[in-house]
Amino acid sequence: AQSVTQLGSHVSVSEGALVLLRCNYSSSVPPYLFWYVQYPNQGLQLLLKYTSAATLVKGINGFEAEFKKSETSFHLTKPSAHMSDAAEYFCAVSYSGSQGNLIFGKGTKLSVKP
Amino acid sequence: EAGVTQSPTHLIKTRGQQATLRCSPISGHTSVYWYQQALGLGLQFLLWYDEGEERNRGNFPPRFSGRQFPNYSSELNVNALELEDSALYLCASSLYLRAGNQPQHFGDGTRLSIL
Repeated sequence: AQSVTQLGSHVSVSEGALVLLRCNYSSSVPPYLFWYVQYPNQGLQLLLKYTSAATLVKGINGFEAEFKKSETSFHLTKPSAHMSDAAEYFCAVSYSGSQGNLIFGKGTKLSVKP
Repeated sequence: EAGVTQSPTHLIKTRGQQATLRCSPISGHTSVYWYQQALGLGLQFLLWYDEGEERNRGNFPPRFSGRQFPNYSSELNVNALELEDSALYLCASSLYLRAGNQPQHFGDGTRLSIL
């Protein structure tokens, strides 16, 4: 069965430091990949998406992610963390001929220390 | 452009009651999805509607049902509520997802609490 693994349920960084949130998928079929962010008491906001164009995808709020087929990964990065980045981040996949549902990872909660 | 809107924001029910949650998609989107986000269980897919028809459902009992109206809005009905139904219910919409590459856009959810 297809699945998404996010390594680290909780990541803590200092303000100004690099943010790296990891996502690996398990599938022999190239997926479509998405990163979402969820702030407290809110829904999910789309950060960026990979849909088989450029492997390096730039999103909102300075985030970017790189699709690496050989590593089945789609890690999310941001060069310099800001206090406002503190939130929970979800990696998700879907597939061509999809049954509609996104398959989500369990999420990574990002804390940013001043 | 207005985003996905859900109502009510909060809903408090007791065991055995029925709950109705509503969702209005982004204008132009024909597909609506429902997800449950329960504490410790992550985001679980519930239902997918497109053009008024149920296209797929997740691994939930039949007491979870819904429908999509001609204006593409949707409602989720949960009958015979149980304590474990307490969760944030998220609605999302997209253009038709046949190719799988259309991002889903989420509302802020309805927090359902079962007493």
